[in-house]
Amino acid sequence: QSALTQPASVSGSPGQSITISCTGTSSDVGAYNYVSWCQQHPGKAPKLMIYDVTKRPSGVSNRFSGSKSGNTASLTISGLQAEDEADYYCNSYTTSSTFVFGGGTKLTVL
Amino acid sequence: QVQLVQSGSELKKPGASVKVSCKASGYRFTSYAMNWVRQAPGHGLEWMGWINTNTGNPTYAQGFTGRFVFSLDTSVSTAYLQISSLKAEDTALYYCAREGTDYDVPYPDYWGQGTLVTVSS
Repeated sequence: QSALTQPASVSGSPGQSITISCTGTSSDVGAYNYVSWCQQHPGKAPKLMIYDVTKRPSGVSNRFSGSKSGNTASLTISGLQAEDEADYYCNSYTTSSTFVFGGGTKLTVL
Repeated sequence: QVQLVQSGSELKKPGASVKVSCKASGYRFTSYAMNWVRQAPGHGLEWMGWINTNTGNPTYAQGFTGRFVFSLDTSVSTAYLQISSLKAEDTALYYCAREGTDYDVPYPDYWGQGTLVTVSS
């Protein structure tokens, strides 16, 4: 199972919106609505931000939203804040009943 | 509250074995699956697999079969990751991550603090 494809980096200014893409195949992202996104700050464990493509766990800001079209899922962060600067990883359930992560995207808030 | 406490850092020589522990508290251990995730230095997350804590049945990702073994001791609410025949490329931070509550699939949701395994001669 190959890693899902994410851009290596994205950036945005405070208050702006950014979108991170996550491209897979018909065996993972395109197969089910089981895509999640997690955020990882340096030296910290990851934190689940989005699951089932669009849902937010309790306590996650509504500035974070997810979507999917075909084999590509996306994470949008609106109203960028300094504390959003982190690495973001998509993760998809697959037709083999396994998970696969994306390569990760470093978000820089300018 | 859910807590996952992992064992401390390990320094091993190539060819040796290591066993990482992940002690759970704050919930019924056998009710939620446990994932294992690897993060090599400066690299991204890799899903290694998961273990059904009710049945003990493990599922391994491609690339993590053979030398990697997931196990449990339900009497002490602890999951284990054992890696044998260690190689330099096994140097990484290893996380246990419990599945979330009421999700359709076992997304990693509650994470341990990670255990650094360093393989060096």
